[in-house]
Amino acid sequence: GQNIDQPTEMTATEGAIVQINCTYQTSGFNGLFWYQQHAGEAPTFLSYNVLDGLEEKGRFSSFLSRSKGYSYLLLKELQMKDSASYLCAAMDSNYQLIWGAGTKLIIKP
Amino acid sequence: ETGVTQTPRHLVMGMTNKKSLKCEQHLGHNAMYWYKQSAKKPLELMFVYNFKEQTENNSVPSRFSPECPNSSHLFLHLHTLQPEDSALYLCASSQEGAEAYNEQFFGPGTRLTVL
Repeated sequence: GQNIDQPTEMTATEGAIVQINCTYQTSGFNGLFWYQQHAGEAPTFLSYNVLDGLEEKGRFSSFLSRSKGYSYLLLKELQMKDSASYLCAAMDSNYQLIWGAGTKLIIKP
Repeated sequence: ETGVTQTPRHLVMGMTNKKSLKCEQHLGHNAMYWYKQSAKKPLELMFVYNFKEQTENNSVPSRFSPECPNSSHLFLHLHTLQPEDSALYLCASSQEGAEAYNEQFFGPGTRLTVL
């Protein structure tokens, strides 16, 4: 079956760095997405990886290893506004997104 | 603002009621999606419309009935729901149809409570 695993909750300190891991098993693979969702709001797109390696976008970076079925989202210089849920989703061979349950990130001062 | 709007934002209904959720996208996209989001569970894809044609129905009970009159509007008609249907219902759209790499743009969702 198809499956996405990511931690349920993480806590980090303002100004620090946090890495949110995601492992996936899908029928075929057409890329890995990360979305951010603040409480009560729409998920918003953060990143897309289809090739192995690290993609950097400001304070956020996303990494993919296709051979390991593994991705992570790296958040640097954490700010209080980064408190949100982070959703990992893998696109299968039919271009359907298979979603993880999300990681709730709590930032403490 | 993502360019995708949903109404109502909150809805409380009894099990015998009939109600409809509305989604509108202002992005010129060709694919629209309904998702169900329950607490601590992955997003569940319910329906996909690709160029106004329904291309996906993920074994959704018939008490949920989608309608896509044009590429900008999507409805979810609700009838005789169960308490376990209480969830956040998210609408999304993507640009080039559902059969390609596409970033999906989400609406803010309708928080549905079934009593």
